[in-house]
Amino acid sequence: EPEVTQTPSHQVTQMGQEVILRCVPISNHLYFYWYRQILGQKVEFLVSFYNNEISEKSEIFDDQFSVERPDGSNFTLKIRSTKLEDSAMYFCASSRSGVVAEKLFFGSGTQLSVL
Amino acid sequence: SQQGEEDPQALSIQEGENATMNCSYKTSINNLQWYRQNSGRGLVHLILIRSNEREKHSGRLRVTLDTSKKSSSLLITASRAADTASYFCATVLHGSSNTGKLIFGQGTTLQVKP
Repeated sequence: EPEVTQTPSHQVTQMGQEVILRCVPISNHLYFYWYRQILGQKVEFLVSFYNNEISEKSEIFDDQFSVERPDGSNFTLKIRSTKLEDSAMYFCASSRSGVVAEKLFFGSGTQLSVL
Repeated sequence: SQQGEEDPQALSIQEGENATMNCSYKTSINNLQWYRQNSGRGLVHLILIRSNEREKHSGRLRVTLDTSKKSSSLLITASRAADTASYFCATVLHGSSNTGKLIFGQGTTLQVKP
């Protein structure tokens, strides 16, 4: 079965540094998402992306965050100046369409540790 | 209180037994989905039930939805050690235009002992 691929699996960075988390969604999928899970907490929606635009973003997704689809296969999440509280597992997901009852395919996640 | 509360938080059973996990929510939904997460891995979609459906089956999984009580349950029958994982319910709110905004519950950690 096709998979969503995320790299790196672990990322350690210093507070204030920029990080870019990378994702390769499933090839025929058109909708892309980022979620995060802080240790011991719920999985939280960050942003959805379609047709090279943000469709929806949560309150968490402030000006420090940005997303990009730089080519036909990659989807990235950039955190401009990381904070300690950005430490979390970040999941990329994709779906074939924007139909409401559509399942999401998730990657294995990138564990971000901000020191 | 929040959308998507699950109980129990943790469940430990013997292989072969059935496991039941419950999810309650507060706001009207379009659909409710269940996901599994193995330790250190991503979320895997298990089953989706629409707000106008009451029950769905997929293999050893049975999901029910009671919109009057705003609750859902996931039943795993004849559990196996490989079913050991965390299970999350996730809702898509009624009126949502974007399929990707799932609101997750806290999850139930299931341990199936061989």
